[in-house]
Amino acid sequence: EVQLLESGGGLIQPGGSLRLSCTASAFTFSTYAMGWVRQAPGKALEWVSTISDSGVSTHYADSVKGRFTISRDNPKNTLYLQMDSLRADDTAVYYCAKVRWSDRDFDFWGQGTLVTVSS
Amino acid sequence: IVMTQTPLSSPVTLGQPASISCRSSQSLVHSDGNTYLSWLQQRPGQPPRLLIYKISNRSPGVPDRFSGSGAGTDFTLKISRVEAEDVGLYYCMQGIQFPWTFGQGTKVEIK
Repeated sequence: EVQLLESGGGLIQPGGSLRLSCTASAFTFSTYAMGWVRQAPGKALEWVSTISDSGVSTHYADSVKGRFTISRDNPKNTLYLQMDSLRADDTAVYYCAKVRWSDRDFDFWGQGTLVTVSS
Repeated sequence: IVMTQTPLSSPVTLGQPASISCRSSQSLVHSDGNTYLSWLQQRPGQPPRLLIYKISNRSPGVPDRFSGSGAGTDFTLKISRVEAEDVGLYYCMQGIQFPWTFGQGTKVEIK
C-alpha cells in the first residue's frame, strides 16, 4: 500500500525557515512526479508546488515563488519543501501527494504536517 | 484558472441524492484530447482522497454511488444515495495547466 509520511512541521517565527520532508514507500518513487498542497485552517486546498520524477522540472504557486524550494532525493525516496521567509499566511497543514501525470491528478496523499507561523 | 463550486453547503437526507457543480473559468480540454478535471473527498480530520479523475473515472475502491460528468467548463459530481460515511468536503481540481487549482469546497452534511 502506498504510504507518504510528512515530517518537519512546527511553530516558527515570521521570517524564519523550515524544511518539510515526505518519505514514500510501496511504489517506485523515482518514476513519479510529486507535489505539495496546503490547507490553511478552515480554508480550501491550495496547490503549492510540483516536481518532476527526475527533479529537473519544478513549478510553484505565485504565493510561494522565490521563498519555497521543492526538491527530491530519489535514492532516499524522499521529497522536500524548503520554506524560507515564512509569513503568517503560510500557516497551514502541508500535504505531500503523489502525482499521476498521465491523469494530471494527485492519486495518493499523506496525512499532512502542520506549520504554524507566529511570534 | 478559477474553479467555482456550487453549492458551498449541501444538507442531505440519508439515502437521498446529492449533486455538486464545478465550473472552470476556461476550458479544461487539453490539446491531447483529455479533460483534466478530478474530484476529491475530504472526510473530517482526514487528508483528501481522490474520488474521480478525468471527469468520470472512479478511483479504485470508490463506491459506484459516486459519479462524475460534464465537459468543457461545466462538471458535476453526483452521489446517488448519500450514506453517513459521505459526510465531508468535496473539491474539484483542474490539472490542465499550472498553477493547478481547486474549487472552494462543498460541505456535504446530513440533515
